[in-house]
Amino acid sequence: GQQVMQIPQYQHVQEGEDFTTYCNSSTTLSNIQWYKQRPGGHPVFLIQLVKSGEVKKQKRLTFQFGEAKKNSSLHITATQTTDVGTYFCAGGKNMDSNYQLIWGAGTKLIIKP
Amino acid sequence: EAQVTQNPRYLITVTGKKLTVTCSQNMNHEYMSWYRQDPGLGLRQIYYSMNVEATDKGDVPEGYKVSRKEKRNFPLILESPSPNQTSLYFCASRPSDWGALGATNEKLFFGSGTQLSVL
Repeated sequence: GQQVMQIPQYQHVQEGEDFTTYCNSSTTLSNIQWYKQRPGGHPVFLIQLVKSGEVKKQKRLTFQFGEAKKNSSLHITATQTTDVGTYFCAGGKNMDSNYQLIWGAGTKLIIKP
Repeated sequence: EAQVTQNPRYLITVTGKKLTVTCSQNMNHEYMSWYRQDPGLGLRQIYYSMNVEATDKGDVPEGYKVSRKEKRNFPLILESPSPNQTSLYFCASRPSDWGALGATNEKLFFGSGTQLSVL
C-alpha cells in the first residue's frame, strides 16, 4: 500500500547542534505537511509544502519538498530545548477521489543533558 | 476558542466492557478522523468522515465503530475492547470535506488525546 518512510526514528543531539529528519514516499505526493508533537501533547501543524522543489523557512526550521514530490526534509539549526518532541511528516494524496494523508512514523528529537 | 475536544483524557477499562470516546469540534469542519498512536508506528487512521452520515474505514478499523449524526460530533465506539486496543487515541478535524490536488489550508486540528488502557 501507500507508504511514507520517515527516518531516523530517534535522534539525540546536544543543545545547539543541528537536527534533520527525512521522509520518502513510494509514490508522488500532491503535497506534504509537517507536524510537531511535544511530549504529552498532540500533533500541531507546522507547515505545508505543495510545489516541486519548494523550500520554506520558519526561523530555525527549514522545510524542503523534493523535485519529484516524493521526498521531504525538516532541518532545525542550533536546536534548543523547546524543539524537543516528535516530528511527523504526512504526505497528501488523492485516493479514491478523496484527499488523504499518509503519515510517516515520526522522528523523536531528544536533547542530551 | 477554536478547538477539538476529546473526552475522557485517560480511561482504564476491562476487556469486553463497551466504551465511547467523544470528540467534538466547534470550527464547522466537514472532515473528522480518528487515529491511534503506538510507539514506533506513528499515527494510524482508524476511521474518517467526510461529512454528516458519511464514514469510511481507515487503515486499522477492526474493533472500532464510529458515527457522524451531526457535524460537530464524531464519537469512537469500542463495542468489546481488547488489550491490543490499549493506545493513545486522537481525534482530528479539518476545514473542507476534500481538497483538490495541491490544495492549501488542509491542515488537521487535533484533540488533546485519550490514553486508553484495556486490562
